[in-house]
Amino acid sequence: DAGVIQSPRHEVTEMGQEVTLRCKPISGHDYLFWYRQTMMRGLELLIYFNNNVPIDDSGMPEDRFSAKMPNASFSTLKIQPSEPRDSAVYFCASSFGTGGYEQYFGPGTRLTVT
Amino acid sequence: AQSVTQLDSQVPVFEEAPVELRCNYSSSVSVYLFWYVQYPNQGLQLLLKYLSGSTLVKGINGFEAEFNKSQTSFHLRKPSVHISDTAEYFCAVRINAGNMLTFGGGTRLMVKP
Repeated sequence: DAGVIQSPRHEVTEMGQEVTLRCKPISGHDYLFWYRQTMMRGLELLIYFNNNVPIDDSGMPEDRFSAKMPNASFSTLKIQPSEPRDSAVYFCASSFGTGGYEQYFGPGTRLTVT
Repeated sequence: AQSVTQLDSQVPVFEEAPVELRCNYSSSVSVYLFWYVQYPNQGLQLLLKYLSGSTLVKGINGFEAEFNKSQTSFHLRKPSVHISDTAEYFCAVRINAGNMLTFGGGTRLMVKP
């Protein structure tokens, strides 16, 4: 398997623009997680899905952030409008609920908002 | 709610020396424990995990960790480190009935020649 795939790997945008991050989980995994990593706050869970349904979005910073999972093989994290404080590395991870319980992480998207 | 504390934000060590990265957790229920490694500009990769059974767990790249329930600790060890072990290491906990991982703040291991 190719592992968790994220695109783009790097994104530079101006404040106020819409940003869409994409993730393809490992085939057969039924959980998908979105994390944000910054120097100040470390690794934060934003939202996670089970069988394409959002289960816990309590980590989403504010209404500017939204996530969707239209099918088992694709998810998006959207920021609209973006702000400089959104600059971070965003990771997607997937896992198999009744398996070994570990999460498999993608390579991340480094977002810079100027 | 559970929490994870990694006591050292940075650990400098010379090549071929032993190393221990400390992790303590708090939880009122049984947990599963994990160590992940993050190399520069990469995602997190699983090093090892404790689910049940033997409290000494062996992982990839010569790392091992010991689960100590009474001290609520899960320290990571390696008897002899290499330059290539330079990375950030994250301890994580998951409660048995849950699906989310709670991560510690990370420990940056810096191996010097």
